Parts: sequence; C-alpha cells; structure tokens
Amino acid sequence: KQEVTQIPAALSVPEGENLVLNCSFTDSAIYNLQWFRQDPGKGLTSLLLIQSSQREQTSGRLNASLDKSSGRSTLYIAASQPGDSATYLCAPGGNTGKLIFGQGTTLQVKP
Amino acid sequence: ETGVTQSPTHLIKTRGQQVTLRCSSQSGHNTVSWYQQALGQGPQFIFQYYREEENGRGNFPPRFSGLQFPNYSSELNVNALELDDSALYLCASSAAGVRSTDTQYFGPGTRLTVL
Repeated sequence: KQEVTQIPAALSVPEGENLVLNCSFTDSAIYNLQWFRQDPGKGLTSLLLIQSSQREQTSGRLNASLDKSSGRSTLYIAASQPGDSATYLCAPGGNTGKLIFGQGTTLQVKP
Repeated sequence: ETGVTQSPTHLIKTRGQQVTLRCSSQSGHNTVSWYQQALGQGPQFIFQYYREEENGRGNFPPRFSGLQFPNYSSELNVNALELDDSALYLCASSAAGVRSTDTQYFGPGTRLTVL
C-alpha cells in the first residue's frame, strides 16, 4: 500500500529565499509523480508531472526531481514570492491512474 | 478549451439525506476520478471512471456511487449522509485512460457540509 509523507508540514520564509519541499513514498512501482498547488478552499493546480523514466522537470522558478528507487521527490522553488504561499501536495501515480496524496506542505512567504 | 468544472460550489445537507455532485471533464478527456478531501488532509481517492465504466475504487463504502456519461461528464452520489462526509469533493480528468501517464487536471471542488 502506497504511503506518502511530506516534510516539512509547514514552512514560513522571507521573500526571495530558495526552498526545497520534500516528498517520500513507500512503493517505488510508480508511473509518474505530480506536484500540485492548492490555495485555501480551492481545487488543485498541477505544477509539474515527472514520468517514472525522468529525473527532473522544470517550469519557470520550479524544479522537481524524482529518485524512484529511493522513493523520493523534491520540489525546488527559486526566489520565493508572497504569491507562492499555498499548500503544496505531491502525488505518485501507479498503474491504475489513482493518485495517492501526502498531507502537503503549507508554505507562507512573507514580504 | 474549457477546464474541469464542478457544481454546485457549496452544499449544505442534513444527516441521512442524499446528495449528487456533478463534474464536467476537460475537453478531450475520457477519464474522471473523484477525491474526498477532509479539512487539513490530502485528497483521498474515491473511484475512477473510464469510458463510462468504474475502474478502481478506494476505501469508501457502497453508499458512495458514481456515473460517467457518454460525453465523459460524471456524477458522484452519496446516500445516507453522515457528519464525516463533510469535506471538499474534487473531480479530476485526464486523457490517458486507465493507466494514466498524463497530467490529471482538477476542478475547483464542491464543499459539502453535513449538519
């Protein structure tokens, strides 16, 4: 049974800092891993999708890496901005297309 | 191209009632998944529909049921509502079918409150 852990649970940083969010999962037999952003009370916005054959994906100031064998993924946010404040969720996907989510990391970027 | 839409936005029901939530998938997507997200938790998979057939179900009782229509839109039905059913219900669609190697796109959710 896939279990997903995200560390830290919460993070508060001043604007401009580079930061790393961590995601670990117990079952390495995944097809892909997605990172999402969720604003309070809202739906999920897909940030990055990494296929199991890939090591990393980049979009703007975001870079996600995947180490499937060790069951780890990281989301790197460069030059953080107050608008980055949200909860970030990772979700490995298996062969059924079902996503298993961690509890997320709640990020606050202070101006 | 329209994104995933859900209706209604908010809903208040009383214990024991029944509710139907609706989801329109993104254009060109044939797979719809439903998730329940309790406050402060990550979303939990309820079930998935692919070409009008249920394909995979999470750890939810039979009073949670669904449908997918020929246009790939979907409904989630919950019977005999319980207080613990209060949550944000999220719908996600993708184009890659049962072995989804494609991005899943989420709707804005329906906030259900059971009193």
